[in-house]
Amino acid sequence: QLQLLGSGPGLVKPSETLSLTCSVSGGSITSGSFYWDWIRQPPGRGLEWIGSLYYSGNTYYNPSLRGRVTISADTSKRQFSLKLTSVTAADTGVYYCARRSSDGIDWYDPWGQGILVTVSS
Amino acid sequence: DIQMTQSPSSLPASVGDRVTITCRASQSISSNLNWYQQKPGKAPKLLIYAASNLQSGVPSRFSGSGPGTHFTLTISSLQPEDFATYFCQQSYSTPYTFGQGTKVDIK
Repeated sequence: QLQLLGSGPGLVKPSETLSLTCSVSGGSITSGSFYWDWIRQPPGRGLEWIGSLYYSGNTYYNPSLRGRVTISADTSKRQFSLKLTSVTAADTGVYYCARRSSDGIDWYDPWGQGILVTVSS
Repeated sequence: DIQMTQSPSSLPASVGDRVTITCRASQSISSNLNWYQQKPGKAPKLLIYAASNLQSGVPSRFSGSGPGTHFTLTISSLQPEDFATYFCQQSYSTPYTFGQGTKVDIK
């Protein structure tokens, strides 16, 4: 059974770069027609899609993040990563990694456990 | 961006109640609508995909309807383990967007 485990620092200083990693077990990030996504949830607010990495290597990002985001993969380690530059307090929240099935209609399953990231000096 | 509006935001209910949550899209999204359940401190769990398809392992008391702009998630008989937050998500076009969530709690 595929499982995702997110990791990374829980505290990042303003203007610095947030870096998170999602480790995949029970499957490969290069197999099948799947996307590997990052989603976040600011405190008390709804979920926001950050971006996607397709198994072929193509990436797609939310325009609202204005070029601050990069998603990449290390296939040998079965990991994909998120980098968000120039963070502010507005980037505080729980960050989730998730696999997105692409079979005409996309859905997220499974999700990682979530990483709470606080942006503060 | 497609806006997803969920209602109600809070839903007090009792065990055995029939519960219905609504999600409206700002434009037609066909059947590209999914429902998730989230419990405190846990990752979201897929319940319903493509508006009305029950994810494997999810109890049959959960059901969904669509398509178009108006979608519902129904729990036919609320069980103790169903007290949680539910949210919808459209996968019609990027950026994918989510509803604000509905918290089902004890009346």
